[in-house]
Amino acid sequence: GAVVSQHPSWVICKSGTSVKIECRSLDFQATTMFWYRQFPKQSLMLMATSNEGSKATYEQGVEKDKFLINHASLTLSTLTVTSAHPEDSSFYICSARDPGVGETQYFGPGTRLLVL
Amino acid sequence: KQEVTQIPAALSVPEGENLVLNCSFTDSAIYNLQWFRQDPGKGLTSLLLIQSSQREQTSGRLNASLDKSSGRSTLYIAASQPGDSATYLCAVRLGGSGSRLTFGEGTQLTVNP
Repeated sequence: GAVVSQHPSWVICKSGTSVKIECRSLDFQATTMFWYRQFPKQSLMLMATSNEGSKATYEQGVEKDKFLINHASLTLSTLTVTSAHPEDSSFYICSARDPGVGETQYFGPGTRLLVL
Repeated sequence: KQEVTQIPAALSVPEGENLVLNCSFTDSAIYNLQWFRQDPGKGLTSLLLIQSSQREQTSGRLNASLDKSSGRSTLYIAASQPGDSATYLCAVRLGGSGSRLTFGEGTQLTVNP
């Protein structure tokens, strides 16, 4: 099946620093990518929808200046957590929709962020 | 607003048993429905995708059915194995380009050897 990669798989950073997470669709072009956040033992919470070449659409309650999303190409979207704080520690998962396979949505392996 | 419910929240069965996971959704005007598997600390693996015009999809020991009118889907796992232990998530999509998936809370499955 289609593969979506994320980098890094885990990151530890100091409070106040910014962290960038990359999401790539490896064998298909994705005009739409999604960023989710998942807390322990909970389901996924959609943060934003990333559209190639345009501004991301953020869900209610998600700060767009805090979580910067850039969808620079059809295979790459990035999420930057700016001025990270301990409460931003979470599991972040990206997803990409393959327009050619019944619009199946594929998910990356996730990035675990720990802010000290 | 679409709501997705999965029952049961957790399930523990002995190896070899056939089992059914349930998913219900409130808005029947869906575009498609996907079942995913998530292992602890990992991302989601797509298992089956059912388009709104389809009634079921099969892959190996997995069979997913869809009844749009009643707002229900089931995931049937035949001859369960310890390696099937994971959280299973159901998600529906209403449609339109860029439309989101709405997830259920998941069923945590444990298959005991």
